[in-house]
Amino acid sequence: SQKIEQNSEALNIQEGKTATLTCNYTNYSPAYLQWYRQDPGRGPVFLLLIRENEKEKRKERLKVTFDTTLKQSLFHITASQPADSATYLCALEGYSSASKIIFGSGTRLSIRP
Amino acid sequence: GAGVSQSPSNKVTEKGKDVELRCDPISGHTALYWYRQSLGQGLEFLIYFQGNSAPDKSGLPSDRFSAERTGGSVSTLTIQRTQQEDSAVYLCASSTDGTGVSGELFFGEGSRLTVL
Repeated sequence: SQKIEQNSEALNIQEGKTATLTCNYTNYSPAYLQWYRQDPGRGPVFLLLIRENEKEKRKERLKVTFDTTLKQSLFHITASQPADSATYLCALEGYSSASKIIFGSGTRLSIRP
Repeated sequence: GAGVSQSPSNKVTEKGKDVELRCDPISGHTALYWYRQSLGQGLEFLIYFQGNSAPDKSGLPSDRFSAERTGGSVSTLTIQRTQQEDSAVYLCASSTDGTGVSGELFFGEGSRLTVL
């Protein structure tokens, strides 16, 4: 069955460092991969989308890579700030119009001052 | 409306009762998703609508769960004979993409269901 794994439940890093989160998947050939941010008690908020033929996508301090050979996406936050503390979710979508979007379990990121 | 609206925001019910959760998507969005999120967990896919039809109902946990969407807009998720394991936050999301592919999802704030 399709499976998405995010590297760890929680990640704690020092402010100013680069946070790197991992999303691995099996038994799936996604056309698109998305990353979302979720704050406690709130719905997820879209951050970035990367297509299967794209290697890398950037948005301000965020960078996403997508390696379809390794079946892995890396999500980087550079110059991290305490305000970046949240849970980050990756999501996969297939090619067809009937394809659902499925989510990983998330990584809780804490940035300490 | 400006965003996806879900109601009620909180619902406490007794085991065995039926509940209805409502989702009002962003106007013009053709794709609509329901997910369930248990405490500290990721998002569990329930059902996906493209217009009024549901190409994928594979995530509905049991026949006690059903969902409908009318007029290509509002959707209702119904849970019959609720059980304690149904307690979770039910999230609705909508998307602009008419083909259901590559659409950024816009989420509501969720309906928190507690079954006593």
